[in-house]
Amino acid sequence: NAGVTQTPKFRVLKTGQSMTLLCAQDMNHEYMYWYRQDPGMGLRLIHYSVGEGTTAKGEVPDGYNVSRLKKQNFLLGLESAAPSQTSVYFCASRRGQGAYEQYFGPGTRLTVT
Amino acid sequence: AQSVTQLGSHVSVSEGALVLLRCNYSSSVPPYLFWYVQYPNQGLQLLLKYTSAATLVKGINGFEAEFKKSETSFHLTKPSAHMSDAAEYFCAVSVNDMRFGAGTRLTVKP
Repeated sequence: NAGVTQTPKFRVLKTGQSMTLLCAQDMNHEYMYWYRQDPGMGLRLIHYSVGEGTTAKGEVPDGYNVSRLKKQNFLLGLESAAPSQTSVYFCASRRGQGAYEQYFGPGTRLTVT
Repeated sequence: AQSVTQLGSHVSVSEGALVLLRCNYSSSVPPYLFWYVQYPNQGLQLLLKYTSAATLVKGINGFEAEFKKSETSFHLTKPSAHMSDAAEYFCAVSVNDMRFGAGTRLTVKP
């Protein structure tokens, strides 16, 4: 099993450009999450999904959109990138809530100039 | 709502010394608790988790954590630090959603 994979690993964008980050999991997990990680701020939840076709806002959703058209994929979109969105983005998946742990992807390092 | 607080954003120990990383939680119902480790330029990996089966939980790489309800704590320990333990450690609490602490960066000095 590949677990959780993220594409791309690195990206540099200019302000105003758009892009989509792809997260894929092969564990048949219901729950999927997008986080951003910034120095000194830990992990902040952007959006999450509790199943195919569903999405919900997390702690810092502004400037991002998501889609979960297939159970195994969770896409994070930036419609008009801003320098404040320079960060490392992590995707995670989880079988269920409560005692189930999250499995993380390797991250995408995004720089917006 | 549940939350978790990690005491100390940076901890430095000498190789061979005890590692103690502190985590306190807040939850109105019995929580599930987790410790994750993040090595440089990698995602988070699960070290161990508490699911109410036993208060002392053993994880990978010689780490363990003890759930203390009276102190609302779930501190992570390792008897003897190794250089390879240098990483960032995150405590997390879960009732339904999972909430992460801000992280503690562990430095191991030779």
